[in-house]
Amino acid sequence: QVQLVQSGAEVRKPGASVKVSCKASGYTFTTYSLTWVRQAPGQGLEWMGWISGYNGHTNYAQKLQGRVTMTIDTATSTAYMELRSLRSDDTALYYCARRQMGATIPSNWFDSWGQGTLVTVSS
Amino acid sequence: DIQMTQSPSSLSATVGDRVTITCQASQDINNYLNWYQQKPGKAPKVLIYDASSLERGVPSRFSGSGSGTDFTLTISSLQPEDIATYYCQQYDSLPITFGQGTRLDIK
Repeated sequence: QVQLVQSGAEVRKPGASVKVSCKASGYTFTTYSLTWVRQAPGQGLEWMGWISGYNGHTNYAQKLQGRVTMTIDTATSTAYMELRSLRSDDTALYYCARRQMGATIPSNWFDSWGQGTLVTVSS
Repeated sequence: DIQMTQSPSSLSATVGDRVTITCQASQDINNYLNWYQQKPGKAPKVLIYDASSLERGVPSRFSGSGSGTDFTLTISSLQPEDIATYYCQQYDSLPITFGQGTRLDIK
């Protein structure tokens, strides 16, 4: 079965960087894109961007451009999300999810999710 | 960015009730809409994709409808395990955006 296993919780000071990993199993990694979604405490869901598991092509949310980098390692079926210049409002639970494509363009949805990685930014 | 507005923000219902949650997009998004359920302490789970298609394994009491700017998620007979927050999500254009969520609990 499809599994996405994320790295553990992180604590960082403002201005630092964090890199979260998402290891995929149970499917062919290069066939799907992976997306990153974050959720601040008690808040809703915010899309951060996605990355192709085939060629590493990315689309990022405009508000994070310049601070976020998503990468993949196809040898280990792992995706990474690095966020730099952290601020207190980056404190959130970060999820990776697999992007399922429908039969007709542009149908797509997020069909399998990791367990989430809590990133806390505090001085 | 396309704004997604859900209503109500929260609701209480009785087991067996028919429950309806609405989602309105700030512009026409065709049927490019998905619904997710998030239980406390858990990752979201897709229920409905393409506005009205039921994800495999999701109980048939869940259904979705709508097109353009107005969409509905319906639970035909509320069960105790449906306690969760529900989110709509559009994929008509980037950035992907979610509604603010509807918290559902049992009366």
